[in-house]
Amino acid sequence: QKEVEQNSGPLSVPEGAIASLNCTYSDRGSQSFFWYRQYSGKSPELIMFIYSNGDKEDGRFTAQLNKASQYVSLLIRDSQPSDSATYLCAGRRDFGNEKLTFGTGTRLTIIP
Amino acid sequence: DTGVSQNPRHKITKRGQNVTFRCDPISEHNRLYWYRQTLGQGPEFLTYFQNEAQLEKSRLLSDRFSAERPKGSFSTLEIQRTEQGDSAMYLCASSFGTAMNTEAFFGQGTRLTVV
Repeated sequence: QKEVEQNSGPLSVPEGAIASLNCTYSDRGSQSFFWYRQYSGKSPELIMFIYSNGDKEDGRFTAQLNKASQYVSLLIRDSQPSDSATYLCAGRRDFGNEKLTFGTGTRLTIIP
Repeated sequence: DTGVSQNPRHKITKRGQNVTFRCDPISEHNRLYWYRQTLGQGPEFLTYFQNEAQLEKSRLLSDRFSAERPKGSFSTLEIQRTEQGDSAMYLCASSFGTAMNTEAFFGQGTRLTVV
């Protein structure tokens, strides 16, 4: 079992709709979680991080964390074609050590 | 540009040759990470420096791989006797601080192709 698991997709969502991306993790020692967006051939770009149970909102993005269920999600509201990318979920174990354990990523396509 | 800088951006090498990549982190960032990413996979951790000290190495980092950060600033990653399986994107990231919300900033990566 991979430490961080994501559905590889592709996930297709109509423009303007809500895209929902999910991630589960097996290491209960993971303290915080990160969502990165990666365009083809480019490096990962941080969208959001979350370390407390519940929701965290930033503009069109909402991250959700449920430590009891070991589940992390990212919602993208009002999806735009520019949101089409691979979304990587990553967990981090220790404070001050940014060693990240990544999932394989979910490829998201926004259909105009 | 004050972001993480990696050079070269692309490298094609013949199997068996040695290659070296360079990473210049964001200035004042004391932590530096190397990751490797193959097609269709997420980045995999290779090694981590705090200042000039290499604090952690992944089992992925075989004895053909060596990384240095001699003065706590830039870092180099060398691969000796390259193999086709080494073909990947090599990503460098840097960070500073110990707060829970410290984030790592990635460079643009070096894409290695071993032929």
